[in-house]
Amino acid sequence: QSVLTQPPSVSGAPGQRVTISCTGSSSNIGAGYDVHWYQQLPGTAPKLLIYGNSNRPSGVPDRFSGSKSGTSASLAITGLQAEDEADYYCQSYDSSLSASYVFGTGTKVTVL
Amino acid sequence: EVQLVESGGGLVQPGGSLRLSCAASGFTFSSYWMSWVRQAPGKGLEWVANIKQDGSEKYYVDSVKGRFTISRDNAKNSLYLQMNSLRAEDTAVYYCARATLWFGESVLDYWGQGTLVTVSS
Repeated sequence: QSVLTQPPSVSGAPGQRVTISCTGSSSNIGAGYDVHWYQQLPGTAPKLLIYGNSNRPSGVPDRFSGSKSGTSASLAITGLQAEDEADYYCQSYDSSLSASYVFGTGTKVTVL
Repeated sequence: EVQLVESGGGLVQPGGSLRLSCAASGFTFSSYWMSWVRQAPGKGLEWVANIKQDGSEKYYVDSVKGRFTISRDNAKNSLYLQMNSLRAEDTAVYYCARATLWFGESVLDYWGQGTLVTVSS
């Protein structure tokens, strides 16, 4: 059972903006640990999308942006495109667990 | 180009064993922490284990402690996961991932394609 909670699904029309929340607690995001985001296209391995709350690896479009505040983080996709339809996972560190690195529950983004 | 290629998955009976391998190329393997992450069918991601560059530190999720062992051979640029006493709930795609440190925390910046482990009688 994940300690980082995400909405199961979000959807939007092409060109719209969607956001995905990642809610944690005082032992992970609220303790100051950074949040990273991964994109998993259907049938493929996850890919790093955002690291250190808001940084994009080389090659990731600037349509993707991340932020963090308090015990939560968010991923925003602006100018939604058909190829953005995928599962998205947040990840952080949790000081209360032996498996210190935890993933969010995952969010399915559907492009209408 | 960074490449991670897993192998060793398959069908195994409950209580059985399996050894996964991950062949790394395109980067200095001995300079990075490495991790195993799994994904049960239709479910989310779960961090399984990680290992320090020289193998001196290893960490596991509680559900696999005492049953799984992560190891590496830097001379062969390879990562391993020995899985014993397998249970049905271990059924998943197992991914090998490179962990880059970001202010002391691990970020999984490259992933393999995964290998499927099915535990069933």
